[in-house]
Amino acid sequence: DVKVTQSSRYLVKRTGEKVFLECVQDMDHENMFWYRQDPGLGLRLIYFSYDVKMKEKGDIPEGYSVSREKKERFSLILESASTNQTSMYLCASSPRDRSGNTIYFGEGSWLTVV
Amino acid sequence: LAKTTQPISMDSYEGQEVNITCSHNNIATNDYITWYQQFPSQGPRFIIQGYKTKVTNEVASLFIPADRKSSTLSLPRVSLSDTAVYYCLVGDGFKTIFGAGTRLFVKA
Repeated sequence: DVKVTQSSRYLVKRTGEKVFLECVQDMDHENMFWYRQDPGLGLRLIYFSYDVKMKEKGDIPEGYSVSREKKERFSLILESASTNQTSMYLCASSPRDRSGNTIYFGEGSWLTVV
Repeated sequence: LAKTTQPISMDSYEGQEVNITCSHNNIATNDYITWYQQFPSQGPRFIIQGYKTKVTNEVASLFIPADRKSSTLSLPRVSLSDTAVYYCLVGDGFKTIFGAGTRLFVKA
């Protein structure tokens, strides 16, 4: 089975802190994604990457950056956390093939910024 | 990117068949149609995927008409544990956007 592992399930950070959310997948997938999910707003794409060192902005990249130094790892960085970034963050991966919509998600990381 | 439209919510009773339709009028030739299920506090889970006609697996069926401008997810004999949000996605997997989904509530 494909496994997408997010390093932290629950985090509490202070406003202004730098926050790292780590994600690792074990299926050699080319594509990796970071989403956030808030009540009533569904899943919103923050950034995605289709290859090592490549990244593309999603719909809501402001306040975030990403890093993909290795194929299996995709990190989301909040340079200076703010309270409006309190949310559930979901990492995902998918293969780069005709059925590339087969996306595998991690369990999510609940971030609270106080 | 093809935009999708689904009903916001649906109610059903245990044992009934549930059909959730998704509209995607500007679907592209290379796009696949994929459905996901999400329970509270969990990541979405793949249910079924298709390109055209009908696809069936152990969980659901997916019906896609010839023009591919819509698709219908069919859940046979739902149970209380099928209460979840169901998302329809259309795309080639490069930049995948989720819509708001359909909240299905199954009653006893």
